[in-house]
Amino acid sequence: KQEVTQIPAALSVPEGENLVLNCSFTDSAIYNLQWFRQDPGKGLTSLLLIQSSQREQTSGRLNASLDKSSGRSTLYIAASQPGDSATYLCAGNSGAGSYQLTFGKGTKLSVIP
Amino acid sequence: GAVVSQHPSRVICKSGTSVKIECRSLDFQATTMFWYRQFPKKSLMLMATSNEGSKATYEQGVEKDKFLINHASLTLSTLTVTSAHPEDSSFYICSALIAGGAYNEQFFGPGTRLTVL
Repeated sequence: KQEVTQIPAALSVPEGENLVLNCSFTDSAIYNLQWFRQDPGKGLTSLLLIQSSQREQTSGRLNASLDKSSGRSTLYIAASQPGDSATYLCAGNSGAGSYQLTFGKGTKLSVIP
Repeated sequence: GAVVSQHPSRVICKSGTSVKIECRSLDFQATTMFWYRQFPKKSLMLMATSNEGSKATYEQGVEKDKFLINHASLTLSTLTVTSAHPEDSSFYICSALIAGGAYNEQFFGPGTRLTVL
């Protein structure tokens, strides 16, 4: 069964700093890997989806990469802003016919002005 | 992008009552929807897979008689928490699946905060 781990659980950085959030998974047969943002008491906002044939995706200041062989994904945030403060979740599904997502526990990011 | 709504966004009820939560795909049809539960400072845990026109598939440890799921149309799935108790208080989030060929992606609703007194 797929297990997803996110380290660190919490991270505090000064505004303007570049940062990397890490996600690791146990099953290299992961199909899709997705990064989400969750603000307190709110639902999920999808940030980036890396599909099975892809290795990375970029959107604005965000870049996500996927290395199936090492069982890792990273989310890179450039020039962090206080508005980036939120919990970031990664989730993956295994196999083309398996649509169920397994979530990590998230990294709570605080960007200090 | 694909939009999923949930109603209500917040509900407070007395212990022993039943609560129904709706999940709608607003601009697309979804034969498959998912229901997740999130406890404070925890990640999302999949409760069940809702399939249009057939019975839901529940994850291990989730009571199907307590969490009734109905997916009667291609745009609506409902989760009914029957005889709710304080331990059922949680944040419930649904998602709707779009899949075709090698592509699949879940689109999430904004969540429903359930508080059982």
